[in-house]
Amino acid sequence: GAVVSQHPSRVICKSGTSVKIECRSLDFQATTMFWYRQFPKKSLMLMATSNEGSKATYEQGVEKDKFLINHASLTLSTLTVTSAHPEDSSFYICSANRQSRGYTFGSGTRLTVV
Amino acid sequence: TQLLEQSPQFLSIQEGENLTVYCNSSSVFSSLQWYRQEPGEGPVLLVTVVTGGEVKKLKRLTFQFGDARKDSSLHITAAQPGDTGLYLCAGARNYGQNFVFGPGTRLSVLP
Repeated sequence: GAVVSQHPSRVICKSGTSVKIECRSLDFQATTMFWYRQFPKKSLMLMATSNEGSKATYEQGVEKDKFLINHASLTLSTLTVTSAHPEDSSFYICSANRQSRGYTFGSGTRLTVV
Repeated sequence: TQLLEQSPQFLSIQEGENLTVYCNSSSVFSSLQWYRQEPGEGPVLLVTVVTGGEVKKLKRLTFQFGDARKDSSLHITAAQPGDTGLYLCAGARNYGQNFVFGPGTRLSVLP
């Protein structure tokens, strides 16, 4: 149980285009999901907290207009990287917190902007 | 300033050796978790500890929560190459609060 599916696992896009990453909770409802960014050989950096039916809460330094988050249902949150640039290339991971079971993470999305 | 510190930052050992990694804070946590992340994957929860002094074992892994609930350790016995990965600790200061992640210990076990 407690499976979080993230799609796509890898994406290559051209500079200036937008990329959408989906995060789905498959067997539970997640009113809150979290989006992280991870640089090579570094730890997780929380970008934002996605709240179902309301605006996401962004961490300091994360551009809201750059990283659009939508949490329209209890099982789906999306992160859209808008007008992507090479410096946006990174590993993006989502998670949902089930209080008694810890965080369940998606398998991550490797974004490469060329 | 990191709420949680982890040490060592990097560790490379030979198969069969024992090791301990640490997670420290000046804050008290209501619960603390350990995760392992393999390259190209999301972290996977290993254990949750909630009681000061608590010790939990998961096969060759032994987790301990400090008496004051400010620190934790992870001991691996007879490490194997499959133990290679990034070990993250995460703590919640109060029940219901989001967990904060430490910077991680990157472990490499060489065959």
